[in-house]
Amino acid sequence: AQSVSQHNHHVILSEAASLELGCNYSYGGTVNLFWYVQYPGQHLQLLLKYFSGDPLVKGIKGFEAEFIKSKFSFNLRKPSVQWSDTAEYFCAVRSPTDSWGKLQFGAGTQVVVTP
Amino acid sequence: ETGVTQSPTHLIKTRGQQVTLRCSSQSGHNTVSWYQQALGQGPQFIFQYYREEENGRGNFPPRFSGLQFPNYSSELNVNALELDDSALYLCASSLSGTGALGYTFGSGTRLTVV
Repeated sequence: AQSVSQHNHHVILSEAASLELGCNYSYGGTVNLFWYVQYPGQHLQLLLKYFSGDPLVKGIKGFEAEFIKSKFSFNLRKPSVQWSDTAEYFCAVRSPTDSWGKLQFGAGTQVVVTP
Repeated sequence: ETGVTQSPTHLIKTRGQQVTLRCSSQSGHNTVSWYQQALGQGPQFIFQYYREEENGRGNFPPRFSGLQFPNYSSELNVNALELDDSALYLCASSLSGTGALGYTFGSGTRLTVV
């Protein structure tokens, strides 16, 4: 069965530390990849997405992600986090061969940034 | 531009009852998807509506049904509520039938079944 795995459920780090969140998927063929963020009390917001082209994708708020096809991975990174990055982060995958825009989400990673 | 709005924000229902959740899509969006997010899990795709027709469904039983109206707003109906239906229900809208342009999510309806 197709699945999306996020390696860490909870991450705690200090301001200015670097962040990397892992995401692996088990889909055959071409996929579209997304990272969403959910700040406390707010709706899911798109951080970045990958459809094709340069596997290093830059998103909003200083986030970037690298698609490594051979590893079925799409890891999210930020060189230096801020307290305001405290949120839950979701990796999502979509098969463009589907007749509808179904997103399959990972379980999410709760990130807490301490001052 | 307005985003996606959902109502109500919170709801408590008794097992066996029926519930209707509502979603107004972002202006200009013609596709609406519904997701169920149980506590501690990622959102799970329920179904999608494109031009008033269901054009995709996840692994949810028929007691989960929906509608999309000519103004592209949508309803999610759940019959015969079960305790496991307690979750955050998210609505997402997009501009194309395939979601290629990405989705805009609402803040969700928190449903508690007791």
